Amino acid sequence: EAGVAQSPRYKIIEKRQSVAFWCNPISGHATLYWYQQILGQGPKLLIQFQNNGVVDDSQLPKDRFSAERLKGVDSTLKIQPAKLEDSAVYLCASSLFDRTGIFSEAFFGQGTRLTVV
Amino acid sequence: DAKTTQPNSMESNEEEPVHLPCNHSTISGTDYIHWYRQLPSQGPEYVIHGLTSNVNNRMASLAIAEDRKSSTLILHRATLRDAAVYYCILRNAGGTSYGKLTFGQGTILTVHP
Repeated sequence: EAGVAQSPRYKIIEKRQSVAFWCNPISGHATLYWYQQILGQGPKLLIQFQNNGVVDDSQLPKDRFSAERLKGVDSTLKIQPAKLEDSAVYLCASSLFDRTGIFSEAFFGQGTRLTVV
Repeated sequence: DAKTTQPNSMESNEEEPVHLPCNHSTISGTDYIHWYRQLPSQGPEYVIHGLTSNVNNRMASLAIAEDRKSSTLILHRATLRDAAVYYCILRNAGGTSYGKLTFGQGTILTVHP
């Protein structure tokens, strides 16, 4: 089965510019996650979608970060304006949610490495 | 969110068993114990999960204490490709943490040839 696709793989921008990341989850996976991973740290959950609704965005810096998941499939994460501390790897993951209320394992993409200079 | 505690790092020799511990004293009845690992320059990958009983799969075994306040991931024969950061995560099946996957710092496993 095809995995979680993310693009671009790498991005370098100047501070105060904007940037967008794209994620295509595994077909049929209702749950989608965006994570930020700063070098040397574990992934930090930014936002979780169930279909096209937001389940948790408590750690998303909403003054500069936004995310959407149109039609419950692809998702985009945007940063505007970027700061130096946003330099990190941005990971997308998806998970199947079955009718018994059980979540399957989460599958992660390769991530987008963002450098803000 | 229920928290987990893991050692920062562990070392092993190739072809020896590795036991990675995790403490989760505040685990709730609907929390599943998940393990993921992250190889260098890659996204995390699923290893194993369980609720109450011990679990085995092709990658590893998961031993869960009877009171569920701790668990151990067992790699039966470590290889150099098992060198990674291992994360123990409590994933709730319901409530306000609906399927949430919260990563901690994990355990850095070094495997020596």
